[in-house]
Amino acid sequence: QVHLQESGPGLVRPSQTLSLTCTVSGGSFGSGGYYWGWIRQHPGKGLEWVGYIYDNGRTYYNPSLQSRLSISMDTSKRQVSLRLTSVTAADAAVYYCAAAGYISNVADYWGHGILVTVSS
Amino acid sequence: QSVLTQPPSASGTPGQWVTIPCSGGRSNVGRNVVHWYQQVPGTAPKLLIYSNDQRPSGVPDRFSGSKSGTSASLAISGLQSEDEADYYCAANDDGLNGPVFGGGTQLTVL
Repeated sequence: QVHLQESGPGLVRPSQTLSLTCTVSGGSFGSGGYYWGWIRQHPGKGLEWVGYIYDNGRTYYNPSLQSRLSISMDTSKRQVSLRLTSVTAADAAVYYCAAAGYISNVADYWGHGILVTVSS
Repeated sequence: QSVLTQPPSASGTPGQWVTIPCSGGRSNVGRNVVHWYQQVPGTAPKLLIYSNDQRPSGVPDRFSGSKSGTSASLAISGLQSEDEADYYCAANDDGLNGPVFGGGTQLTVL
């Protein structure tokens, strides 16, 4: 069983950088051929894929966010990090950490989610 | 505007059979497997059906999935009050190189 726990600031100022961390427990991390990443959900809206990092370090980003997005992983800490620059109100959402490749190729395990508000 | 199309709402009475459709295109549903997620309000989504018609361990067999061409469907038989939730379909999109989701269907058990 894989457990994912998001952490980071719940409030980010417009034009600043959003940084979130996902700590992974259980399962294989960094060597098993799995995807780790982020999916977000705007308030009252549907789900939007943000991006993934594969166990070999290769990244896959939503083209709509690619110019502002960076996802990295630290295998020693079992952590996946998201960095989104120049945030606007459109980036306010619940951000879920997700793991894929165990069962499906989209998202098998989800964190509880972290609400990010963008406001000055 | 979501890439995959779902009706915004569906409803049924306890014991009924309900279906939720999901429509996509050739680059996503047409060429890749479809997964379904259940999200109880205030909680994270949970994988309900994977690879079109497979149930993860622990998911009741009242839930079933199917796919034909660029459309997929989730069926729930013997509807129960605990099935009241939002349901999302998802599939990888070859053009996006990542997954796309439906807009979600809010299921109400009357």
